[in-house]
This record gives sequence, structure tokens and C-alpha cells, in this order.
Amino acid sequence: DSGVTQTPKHLITATGQRVTLRCSPRSGDLSVYWYQQSLDQGLQFLIQYYNGEERAKGNILERFSAQQFPDLHSELNLSSLELGDSALYFCASGRGVNTEAFFGQGTRLTVV
Amino acid sequence: SQQGEEDPQALSIQEGENATMNCSYKTSINNLQWYRQNSGRGLVHLILIRSNEREKHSGRLRVTLDTSKKSSSLLITASRAADTASYFCATDNNQGGKLIFGQGTELSVKP
Repeated sequence: DSGVTQTPKHLITATGQRVTLRCSPRSGDLSVYWYQQSLDQGLQFLIQYYNGEERAKGNILERFSAQQFPDLHSELNLSSLELGDSALYFCASGRGVNTEAFFGQGTRLTVV
Repeated sequence: SQQGEEDPQALSIQEGENATMNCSYKTSINNLQWYRQNSGRGLVHLILIRSNEREKHSGRLRVTLDTSKKSSSLLITASRAADTASYFCATDNNQGGKLIFGQGTELSVKP
């Protein structure tokens, strides 16, 4: 158990809908990362927050947004969902910005 | 886009043999990390090597880093069936701390 909690574990939703994925980092970790993993694209970095502020951005679609709250938990919002958004979404946390990352078990999103 | 590229894409060995996986990357880095992923589960951090380090050990794992060639290798000695997993290298190129992962090497260790 990495200490990173992601909810929900599974999510099935229809195209065009909006979902929110939630992540609680390990106690004491200030960094939160979001990744998307699919068979054809591999592990894609989406976005990173550090102590509530956006730190780095990857190939995150405009339909996706995220934030980190004062209690350091983070949410990833995916809107206007398309079939191609079906993937595993991972959250990871770390102590700082150049340290190892600890991954949650992921949310498996299926868009039908 | 991927920063690291692992080689080989897949590796099948017998229990007790050593497994070597390689990772090449493109830009200068702050550190390079190796992770393991069992099918469909979260990634587990194995080892972090900083750009000023050349070799690091952790149990049966040995990681080397050659910054002049922009490459790293992960050696797993005396492999076990439980080592069967995908192994990823990830680079921190000091652009805010984001970790960029390669496509991974799928390791299969047969009992």
C-alpha cells in the first residue's frame, strides 16, 4: 500500500458526460501528479501540483482540469468525455518536486 | 511525448537468471527513476539515481547511469517468478519536477 488513495476505482460513463476523480496523497507529501495510461499512448503525464500551486503541465486536454486543495487532496475533472478518454488514471504524490513518486492504484475510466 | 525509451520491449527469462533492461533519454536530467507495474495496478518506485551518481544498488537491483550517453540500465539479479511485471524508467529533467515515463519493458520470469 503506497499510502495514496484514489477514488473511485472504476467508473463507467457515457460520452459527453463529466466525471471527477479524487486523490488523497500520502501524509506529508506536497506534490501531486496525474497520469493517464492507455495501451496505445503509454503513461502520459498530465499535470503536477505542489502545495496547492500548479507546477508543471503535460499534454492535458482543454476538456480536462485539475486542482489541489488546501488539505492537499487533488481532483481531476474530465468533461465532454469521448471514447478515447477510456484509460487508467493514476495519481501519485511525492515529498518535493525532484523526489520519488508514490502511485495510487488508479481509476479505470470506461467511456461508452 | 516520451522522454525515455526502454529496450527491450519484452524480455523472457528463467528463474535464477539475471535480467537487464536499458533506458535511453533525450535531454539532460536531474534524476532518473525506475518503477515496476504489475498488470493493471499502480506503479511501485524501485530506485532513484541522481545525475551526479553512476551506480546504485538496492537489494537485487543494480542501476547504472551514463549521462554522457544519456542512458541507464536496470539489472535484476537472481530473478524470481514474482519479478514478472512491466518496468519503466522515468526522467526528471528539472522542468518543474514532472516525471516523464518511457514505454516500459515487459519482463516475464518463468519458474
